[in-house]
Amino acid sequence: IAGITQAPTSQILAAGRRMTLRCTQDMRHNAMYWYRQDLGLGLRLIHYSNTAGTTGKGEVPDGYSVSRANTDDFPLTLASAVPSQTSVYFCASSATGTGARLNGYTFGSGTRLTVV
Amino acid sequence: QKEVEQNSGPLSVPEGAIASLNCTYSDRGSQSFFWYRQYSGKSPELIMSIYSNGDKEDGRFTAQLNKASQYVSLLIRDSQPSDSATYLCAASVSSGSARQLTFGSGTQLTVLP
Repeated sequence: IAGITQAPTSQILAAGRRMTLRCTQDMRHNAMYWYRQDLGLGLRLIHYSNTAGTTGKGEVPDGYSVSRANTDDFPLTLASAVPSQTSVYFCASSATGTGARLNGYTFGSGTRLTVV
Repeated sequence: QKEVEQNSGPLSVPEGAIASLNCTYSDRGSQSFFWYRQYSGKSPELIMSIYSNGDKEDGRFTAQLNKASQYVSLLIRDSQPSDSATYLCAASVSSGSARQLTFGSGTQLTVLP
């Protein structure tokens, strides 16, 4: 089934530790995104990539980094986790171009991260 | 001020009624608009998208767009308990060939049996 796979599903992480959240898509979408979702704040964009080899910062990029070595994979790394990074993290992807303007994003199932 | 605003609710409607969800946006460059449904503990799923002014219908769902008023709405006819979820409004601004979505905080809808 085509879609986005995120791993792990959930994780409890000690503060100060390094963690990489994995995201893989098989739809050959050019664009990929990382959002965090917090109660009352909705979905906030962390980083995005419009195509393989390029990345950009979203609304809340501090403390996070991404890479886009190929079309399918878009990992998110927390270099040194802090409790404020406790959240649900969603990876998403989308086709690009004028013909795709109504396609929206496809979301992964999310990673629930707790930093203690 | 958040770029996409929604009433957080909760909004409760009886089964069979029309649920009306509203959204306003501040960026006049926004071109496409989306409604996502998110069940508790699940990921958002796209239910409607709209680009042109006016109404767009898909089954029990109707999306309405008024670009002059910067207003988007979603009507759910014959509401069912299975429609109980959080509904997210999103606006898209194109940058070259790519688009970025800005989401509202969501409206929690409860359909009472």
